[in-house]
Amino acid sequence: DAGVIQSPRHEVTEMGQEVTLRCKPISGHNSLFWYRQTMMRGLELLIYFNNNVPIDDSGMPEDRFSAKMPNASFSTLKIQPSEPRDSAVYFCASSPALPRAFFGQGTRLTVV
Amino acid sequence: AQKITQTQPGMFVQEKEAVTLDCTYDTSDQSYGLFWYKQPSSGEMIFLIYQGSYDEQNATEGRYSLNFQKARKSANLVISASQLGDSAMYFCAMREDSSYKLIFGSGTRLLVRP
Repeated sequence: DAGVIQSPRHEVTEMGQEVTLRCKPISGHNSLFWYRQTMMRGLELLIYFNNNVPIDDSGMPEDRFSAKMPNASFSTLKIQPSEPRDSAVYFCASSPALPRAFFGQGTRLTVV
Repeated sequence: AQKITQTQPGMFVQEKEAVTLDCTYDTSDQSYGLFWYKQPSSGEMIFLIYQGSYDEQNATEGRYSLNFQKARKSANLVISASQLGDSAMYFCAMREDSSYKLIFGSGTRLLVRP
């Protein structure tokens, strides 16, 4: 199994541009999480899906952020328009019915 | 509401000695799971150990053990015989079985001295 796959690994974009981060969870996992990691705020849960349905998006910072999971094998996190304060490492994690979560390698986003 | 607290921002330990990283949690659920993850400087999140709230025995995985004290709501990680490669950030996490929500503490940076 290839594990959770995130793309791109690194993204540098200009303020105001749209950014889309992608995640392919492990096949058969029914929960998917998006996290943001910064030095100041640590690991923040942004949103999580169960069986492709968003269950809790209370961690999404503002309307500029949106996440979708159109099917069990793909999810996106979109920021539009991006701002410098969005610079962070964004992790996607998936989990089977058992409790352990498997993390992707993360996407390091820099907004200049 | 779920909450995870790690009160040690940084820890030092001498190589080959044991070290305990503290974690306390808060939940109103009876059924939940507790985790520890390691994040080396390369950035990936590595799963170390899991403890279920109904598990009577403390979890162990090689040199890692979880000191689970349910009444105190603590889930401390013990690393025995520390190695230089153990230097990393360590995160405690909790997932309530009713909600599937997985949240993390602020982390502890461990530095192993030679």
